[in-house]
Amino acid sequence: LAKTTQPISMDSYEGQEVNITCSHNNIATNDYITWYQQFPSQGPRFIIQGYKTKVTNEVASLFIPADRKSSTLSLPRVSLSDTAVYYCLARMGGFKTIFGAGTRLFVKA
Amino acid sequence: EPEVTQTPSHQVTQMGQEVILRCVPISNHLYFYWYRQILGQKVEFLVSFYNNEISEKSEIFDDQFSVERPDGSNFTLKIRSTKLEDSAMYFCASTDKAAEAFFGQGTRLTVV
Repeated sequence: LAKTTQPISMDSYEGQEVNITCSHNNIATNDYITWYQQFPSQGPRFIIQGYKTKVTNEVASLFIPADRKSSTLSLPRVSLSDTAVYYCLARMGGFKTIFGAGTRLFVKA
Repeated sequence: EPEVTQTPSHQVTQMGQEVILRCVPISNHLYFYWYRQILGQKVEFLVSFYNNEISEKSEIFDDQFSVERPDGSNFTLKIRSTKLEDSAMYFCASTDKAAEAFFGQGTRLTVV
């Protein structure tokens, strides 16, 4: 399982775009890059998953360069309710998910 | 949207007692997991379960822990003799082979 590194915390203001970058230098060929969101006292919630290039859904975009050694989660126009911990993971489907410390995003009014 | 269901949402137990945490994974999923999160700390992997047996476990998952899939729908985590340090949120998750893991809302276990 590839080790991931991401910032411990980030602050933002409502309405801004937030980009959280994660490095995964030793990502394996079969690993997918997955991001989860966790609110206090709740289970992690899947946000987005990708293998390469760009993936977009109704919540976020995920940018993955050609070497796949890093990825960037982009949250457009954040609101106060986006305040949460965001986890970046590199994993193969069906295998255990190992969580790091994540990035604590704090959105201010 | 399908979801993983966990019961109870909160369990208080005395030290040394046995507890069983219950989970109903998403019906067509094949892989099942238990995680725990001590207050203020990161989510820690405990055990994965596939094809009716443990496929992987962490060093946390010692002889005091066991998992079972007693029927086609439930997935349980048993702690035989709880300790104070077992107090945590316990999350169940399930996935099929390729997709993301879906997590339940957790059971808060308080050992007193």
